[in-house]
Amino acid sequence: LAKTTQPISMDSYEGQEVNITCSHNNIATNDYITWYQQFPSQGPRFIIQGYKTKVTNEVASLFIPADRKSSTLSLPRVSLSDTAVYYCLVPISNFGNEKLTFGTGTRLTIIP
Amino acid sequence: EPEVTQTPSHQVTQMGQEVILRCVPISNHLYFYWYRQILGQKVEFLVSFYNNEISEKSEIFDDQFSVERPDGSNFTLKIRSTKLEDSAMYFCATALRGFGEPYEQYFGPGTRLTVT
Repeated sequence: LAKTTQPISMDSYEGQEVNITCSHNNIATNDYITWYQQFPSQGPRFIIQGYKTKVTNEVASLFIPADRKSSTLSLPRVSLSDTAVYYCLVPISNFGNEKLTFGTGTRLTIIP
Repeated sequence: EPEVTQTPSHQVTQMGQEVILRCVPISNHLYFYWYRQILGQKVEFLVSFYNNEISEKSEIFDDQFSVERPDGSNFTLKIRSTKLEDSAMYFCATALRGFGEPYEQYFGPGTRLTVT
């Protein structure tokens, strides 16, 4: 059974760089990997999206190796407001069908 | 900034009843999605919808579920006969583009469905 897995939780101090990895060994070949942030009782919010190599925007970077079986979200210099759950969203290939699959989610806690 | 809106914010229903959850997409978006999130668990894909038909659906989206855009604007999720295990937060998401192109899904605030 194809799984999209992430570490359950991570803690970091303010000002540190945080890297969260998502493993997705059955990723479909022709679609994008997306990362979302979710605060309690809210819908997920888009952070960044990429297909391969490295993508950077004003809030994060996304690293995707050539085999695309994993992706790493990098948050530079985190602050208390970055405390949230982070999900990868990946198209997973299952017996010829492609299904959007959220990762298991990583609860990031920023410590002052 | 444009937003996806959902109504109601909270729906309480008895087991076996039908519920309709409503979503108003961002006006120029063409791709529509429903997800659910059981309390304390991850977000799960239910269905995607484009050009007035279902593009993909998950194993969760069985015959009890249906989606439509009845008036070309609202996007609805209907659960025909609710079960206790349907209790969850249901999120609508919309996007300008779909698979194979860069796209960002915009999520609504969710409808909390409680089945008693």
